[in-house]
Amino acid sequence: GAVVSQHPSWVICKSGTSVKIECRSLDFQATTMFWYRQFPKQSLMLMATSNEGSKATYEQGVEKDKFLINHASLTLSTLTVTSAHPEDSSFYICSAEIAGTGRKTQYFGPGTRLLVL
Amino acid sequence: AQSVTQLGSHVSVSEGALVLLRCNYSSSVPPYLFWYVQYPNQGLQLLLKYTTGATLVKGINGFEAEFKKSETSFHLTKPSAHMSDAAEYFCAVMPSSNTGKLIFGQGTTLQVKP
Repeated sequence: GAVVSQHPSWVICKSGTSVKIECRSLDFQATTMFWYRQFPKQSLMLMATSNEGSKATYEQGVEKDKFLINHASLTLSTLTVTSAHPEDSSFYICSAEIAGTGRKTQYFGPGTRLLVL
Repeated sequence: AQSVTQLGSHVSVSEGALVLLRCNYSSSVPPYLFWYVQYPNQGLQLLLKYTTGATLVKGINGFEAEFKKSETSFHLTKPSAHMSDAAEYFCAVMPSSNTGKLIFGQGTTLQVKP
């Protein structure tokens, strides 16, 4: 149980294009999902908290107009990197919190590696 | 501000030896504490967590960790390392259950030598 998937797992795009990454909770409902970014050999940095049916809460320094988050259902959150540039190349990981668990455990997706040429 | 420090970015042990990965945190209130493992090009898998109650927490794959409030530590141990334990390990703190935000340490790469 508590499986989180991400799609795609790999994406290569040209500079200036937009890329959408999906995060799905497969066997549970998630009122809250989190998006992280991980650079090579570094730790995870929280980008934003995604709440179903409401606007995402972004961490300081994260451009909300560049990283669009939509949490339209209890099992799906999407992260769209708009007008991607090479510096946006990174490993993007989402996590989901099972509804009703009191915010104590996040289950992570396998990650999406983005390479912007 | 809350923070997590993992002492030693790289730890190398022999197969069968004790594994000790250190984690210290700073928090004004007792936080929730987690250890996650990450294999190459994969997401994070929860090893164990401390929320309340018993301070010695047992997790998957033979790992355990002890919450020591006086030392603000949550070190991860395993009595006998296995080759499959080689991975990146992250300690994380959830300062407040209200937000659910996790603050991660820098990570420790565990190498297991045959």
